[in-house]
Amino acid sequence: DTGVSQDPRHKITKRGQNVTFRCDPISEHNRLYWYRQTLGQGPEFLTYFQNEAQLEKSRLLSDRFSAERPKGSFSTLEIQRTEQGDSAMYLCASSLLVTNTGELFFGEGSRLTVL
Amino acid sequence: DQQVKQNSPSLSVQEGRISILNCDYTNSMFDYFLWYKKYPAEGPTFLISISSIKDKNEDGRFTVFLNKSAKHLSLHIVPSQPGDSAVYFCAALKSGKLIFGQGTELSVKP
Repeated sequence: DTGVSQDPRHKITKRGQNVTFRCDPISEHNRLYWYRQTLGQGPEFLTYFQNEAQLEKSRLLSDRFSAERPKGSFSTLEIQRTEQGDSAMYLCASSLLVTNTGELFFGEGSRLTVL
Repeated sequence: DQQVKQNSPSLSVQEGRISILNCDYTNSMFDYFLWYKKYPAEGPTFLISISSIKDKNEDGRFTVFLNKSAKHLSLHIVPSQPGDSAVYFCAALKSGKLIFGQGTELSVKP
């Protein structure tokens, strides 16, 4: 399978704990994106990388959130001191630098539940 | 500010009929407009897109129309099939990132 993969698919944690999600993009894709989706809403942009450089961060990404893409391949999204409001589906996507459709390829997501 | 809006949270259509999903946007600087389909517990999957310089794009049963003066796009599915039942998101591409609408849940009844 050469699609975008995310791990873990589900994570249940207690408030105040730290969690980390991993995303492996499609291998030749330069760009990697993190989105968050809550019930009844569309995916909301969090941040994206071009190779290892983090190009943009949304104001939704508080100081408790940090994302890395150290070698320009896989990426991690860490949430420190989780809060119940962090419960959501965290989606990773990747794309080529230039496309003729604008398409991002999404993984199946990592669902976070904060108790 | 909600730059991409889908004002209908749900739509129910009979199998074989046309499904029309609508989307409005507020920014004229988008490069592409896309439609994604999402099943529960899965990530969004790309359906069809249209460049901002075009007004129509067709792919099999799916056609997207772009009305730039009205800042409106629509997705037509003809004929609708029960397997089309899912949540549909429109999205607009700007500065390399997608901005999504809230989604419309389509239910196609046999």
